[in-house]
Amino acid sequence: GENVEQHPSTLSVQEGDSAVIKCTYSDSASNYFPWYKQELGKGPQLIIDIRSNVGEKKDQRIAVTLNKTAKHFSLHITETQPEDSAVYFCAASTNAGKSTFGDGTTLTVKP
Amino acid sequence: EAQVTQNPRYLITVTGKKLTVTCSQNMNHEYMSWYRQDPGLGLRQIYYSMNVEVTDKGDVPEGYKVSRKEKRNFPLILESPSPNQTSLYFCASAEGLAGQEQYFGPGTRLTVT
Repeated sequence: GENVEQHPSTLSVQEGDSAVIKCTYSDSASNYFPWYKQELGKGPQLIIDIRSNVGEKKDQRIAVTLNKTAKHFSLHITETQPEDSAVYFCAASTNAGKSTFGDGTTLTVKP
Repeated sequence: EAQVTQNPRYLITVTGKKLTVTCSQNMNHEYMSWYRQDPGLGLRQIYYSMNVEVTDKGDVPEGYKVSRKEKRNFPLILESPSPNQTSLYFCASAEGLAGQEQYFGPGTRLTVT
């Protein structure tokens, strides 16, 4: 089955700095790669996603890149703010309905 | 308001006592899924459903059952709960086929003693 590895498990940055979280996947059938943000006591919420036919996608301060050949994708957050502090999850999904999540990255943005 | 609801939000039970966690969505989504979240292990998929009367196993289905008799509801059933099923459970739904944004419920924290 699919295996998704996510690094780092914790990340601490100064406000205004950039944060990068990386994920690798194993199943070539995976074709949808979302990133979710989970705040304390809440369910995960989508922040950005990318499909296998696209190499990069950007939404204001957030960007995701995908390298299909190497089977890895990354989340980039620029100009970080304290409200970006949360747990971030990457995931890989197939058209068959299976979704595999990474173990999560706890991001702390220090004011 | 478009949402996924779960009940109960918190549950403490004893080993072997059957329980059901309900999940309902009001977005007319075809896809629904259950996950469990444990510290350091991310979210692991238990079961998913692509449509009414269609269910499939995820990565950790042992000890769980589901049913999808109506589009809006996807209950998770633990026939004989055990302490290793103590976890935080999330239901999610998505429009149409898989490979779409999933909308998560608020979670159900289950403790089995």
